[in-house]
Amino acid sequence: AQSVTQLGSHVSVSEGALVLLRCNYSSSVPPYLFWYVQYPNQGLQLLLKYTSAATLVKGINGFEAEFKKSETSFHLTKPSAHMSDAAEYFCAVSERGSYIPTFGRGTSLIVHP
Amino acid sequence: DAGVIQSPRHEVTEMGQEVTLRCKPISGHNSLFWYRQTMMRGLELLIYFNNNVPIDDSGMPEDRFSAKMPNASFSTLKIQPSEPRDSAVYFCASTFSPSSGELFFGEGSRLTVL
Repeated sequence: AQSVTQLGSHVSVSEGALVLLRCNYSSSVPPYLFWYVQYPNQGLQLLLKYTSAATLVKGINGFEAEFKKSETSFHLTKPSAHMSDAAEYFCAVSERGSYIPTFGRGTSLIVHP
Repeated sequence: DAGVIQSPRHEVTEMGQEVTLRCKPISGHNSLFWYRQTMMRGLELLIYFNNNVPIDDSGMPEDRFSAKMPNASFSTLKIQPSEPRDSAVYFCASTFSPSSGELFFGEGSRLTVL
């Protein structure tokens, strides 16, 4: 069975600071991993995905995530936060063969001026 | 390009009433998902269709919930009778390739049951 744990329901950073959102997964087979972003009153949209190519994945808006099999992690980072990055971020995992993503509980990113 | 279209965006109803939520997936997408989002439980998969056929409905809470996909361009999620605990945001998502894992979400239908 697949599952995702996002550490911290809220992360607060200052504008210009490093953003780090944590995600750990469990999967019985090699997974696909995703980060989605949800802006207020909108649906989720894909930021980036890992599907077994390069372990460092670059996404939209300057975000990137690194797949670390030994740590079963897929943390999301951005070197410098912008006010517009304030949103809810969801990590998701799907197992090859199943393809139905399971989402984490989400992390709310708060960016202070 | 039109994305996934959901209606209504907001619905307020009284306990016991029937609620129907609608979804138009992106043209060409052959897989459709219904999710429910609440503060308590996060994002839960309710049901998944592939080529208009329900594949996995294990997430449907109980018999009060039903979903249909009569054709490739339309799906409904019905709750009858509705209860206050059904209050949530319901999302529809579609994809052209389940193996890609990438879902395209609608903006959601916010349901409040009084």
